[in-house]
Amino acid sequence: AQSVSQHNHHVILSEAASLELGCNYSYGGTVNLFWYVQYPGQHLQLLLKYFSGDPLVKGIKGFEAEFIKSKFSFNLRKPSVQWSDTAEYFCAVTYTGKLIFGQGTTLQVKP
Amino acid sequence: KAGVTQTPRYLIKTRGQQVTLSCSPISGHRSVSWYQQTPGQGLQFLFEYFSETQRNKGNFPGRFSGRQFSNSRSEMNVSTLELGDSALYLCASSHGLAGAITDTQYFGPGTRLTVL
Repeated sequence: AQSVSQHNHHVILSEAASLELGCNYSYGGTVNLFWYVQYPGQHLQLLLKYFSGDPLVKGIKGFEAEFIKSKFSFNLRKPSVQWSDTAEYFCAVTYTGKLIFGQGTTLQVKP
Repeated sequence: KAGVTQTPRYLIKTRGQQVTLSCSPISGHRSVSWYQQTPGQGLQFLFEYFSETQRNKGNFPGRFSGRQFSNSRSEMNVSTLELGDSALYLCASSHGLAGAITDTQYFGPGTRLTVL
């Protein structure tokens, strides 16, 4: 079965710091990969997705993620975070028609 | 295009009761999936409906059931509520084309269920 692991449960950064959130999945077959974000009081929104092609994908609000197949990883990055990036971030992988989520990482950005 | 809508947004029930939650997908989307979100277990897949048929199912007891109507709207039912069923229930819709694995799911705001 597929599982998704997000290494950091709670990250605290100052504004302008760089961000990298780790995500690893277990199933080695063809997968679709997603990062979703849940801002305080809002619903889950898609940040970016990888289906095929260029392993470096760019999403909204300056986020990007790199798919490294050999490492079963799909890490999320942003060069310079803003206070408005404070949210919970979820990595997700499709598996047999289901979307399997990681436990989530809470990002707190201090102004 | 209107997003995924869920009703009600908040619900308080007592143990042993049953509850029905509703989800209206984005226009043109035929697949509706349901998820349970709790602080301890995170986001867990409940089931997916496509063209009025349950196509995928997660590892939840039979007390959790759902259905989908011809207009793609979906309902989720939980019978004999337990305290542990308190959670945010999320609905997501997608085109759900048969056999496609490149589908993006769009989430609704969720229904916050509290079981007392």
